[in-house]
Amino acid sequence: QLVLTQSPSASASLGASVKLTCTLSSGHSSYAIAWHQQQPEKGPRYLMKLNSDGSHSKGDGIPDRFSGSSSGAERYLTISSLQSEDEADYYCQTWGTDMGVFGTGTKVTVL
Amino acid sequence: QITLKESGPTLVKPTQTLTLTCTFSGFSLRTSGVGVGWIRQPPGKALEWLAVIYWDDDTRYSPSLKNRLTITKDTSKNQVVLTMTNMDPVDTATYYCAHSPIDCSGGRCYHYFPHWGQGTVVTVSS
Repeated sequence: QLVLTQSPSASASLGASVKLTCTLSSGHSSYAIAWHQQQPEKGPRYLMKLNSDGSHSKGDGIPDRFSGSSSGAERYLTISSLQSEDEADYYCQTWGTDMGVFGTGTKVTVL
Repeated sequence: QITLKESGPTLVKPTQTLTLTCTFSGFSLRTSGVGVGWIRQPPGKALEWLAVIYWDDDTRYSPSLKNRLTITKDTSKNQVVLTMTNMDPVDTATYYCAHSPIDCSGGRCYHYFPHWGQGTVVTVSS
């Protein structure tokens, strides 16, 4: 069964960096994913598509301080130079056999 | 510029059928590889994928909700309609529609959601 696992929370200081992890379940380590951001009381926003080789393509208008990388079954989202507006929930998402799958989300707090 | 907007009732009673409409612009569901999906989010909880309809009328549904969902499209109106039968209070959520093009790489094809609607809140209560 395809499952995406995310840590519930992460935090870092204003101006620092934070690295979020999305882990693909066994047997699915080659899958690509997408990252979505959801700021408080807002709808989700697509950040990027991230392949298993670490190559990624970002959505329109996504700042350079958002980047993606991969290692094995893990997919990472790194936010550099954290801004207050980066405080949000971050969801990874992929596509299984004829269905979409979302992770449970990571809440990022900017200290 | 791609935009999507959800519309429908804000309140439905248990056992009723919910009908939501997604009206979009900036792309066409006549174009090969294009789809529109629905995703929901109960209050304080994670996103849950529900269904997708493709340019060729093919559809896919969440296995856990398959028996209750129907997704259709009206290409001439640039609309996609989701119906969910037998509504229950646990179906209370914000419902989003999203542009969902097919993206094939590494021998697999994926649906991502590069554009989202603003969402519509649906409460199920008597």
